[in-house]
Amino acid sequence: GNSVTQMEGPVTLSEEAFLTINCTYTATGYPSLFWYVQYPGEGLQLLLKATKADDKGSNKGFEATYRKETTSFHLEKGSVQVSDSAVYFCALSGEHAGGTSYGKLTFGQGTILTVHP
Amino acid sequence: GAVVSQHPSRVICKSGTSVKIECRSLDFQATTMFWYRQFPKKSLMLMATSNEGSKATYEQGVEKDKFLINHASLTLSTLTVTSAHPEDSSFYICSARDRNSNQPQHFGDGTRLSIL
Repeated sequence: GNSVTQMEGPVTLSEEAFLTINCTYTATGYPSLFWYVQYPGEGLQLLLKATKADDKGSNKGFEATYRKETTSFHLEKGSVQVSDSAVYFCALSGEHAGGTSYGKLTFGQGTILTVHP
Repeated sequence: GAVVSQHPSRVICKSGTSVKIECRSLDFQATTMFWYRQFPKKSLMLMATSNEGSKATYEQGVEKDKFLINHASLTLSTLTVTSAHPEDSSFYICSARDRNSNQPQHFGDGTRLSIL
């Protein structure tokens, strides 16, 4: 079955530091890949997505590239802010996107990020 | 933008009580909604897929009679935790997929359920 593995946290950084959160996946076919962010006490917000190999998703300074050869979708940001402190989830949708709707999501275990001033 | 409203945001009740959680898509129609459960500092576990006008599809290990799902309209799905016990305490999150959009699921803000 499908699975997603994220680097274990928590991750603690100083403001303006470089961020990388590793994510690898196992899936059949051509999954779509996502990063979601969860702020304390809230639901999930879509941060970025990529639907095919070599696609780069980006949003709010975050980016991740869909690497089929390494089955990875690592999240990066060049300069983090205190407001980026949250839990980050990597996820995949097993259906082939290709312009169609997305199926149920399989999540990684989440990585807690804390950014200090 | 698309919004999914989940209600209540927090509920505390006695053991043995049944609790209903609502998930509404406010500005789009959702033929499919998803219910997730999240344990403290853990990932989200898909419980079931709610399909408008038909029975929900439950994931392996999720008790159908314990977690009743009803999706009676294109904008509303409900999850009822029947005869809740302390081990059912958790954070429950729903999501909905816009039937007319090529976009991923939109998530509600979750419901914190605490059973005393």
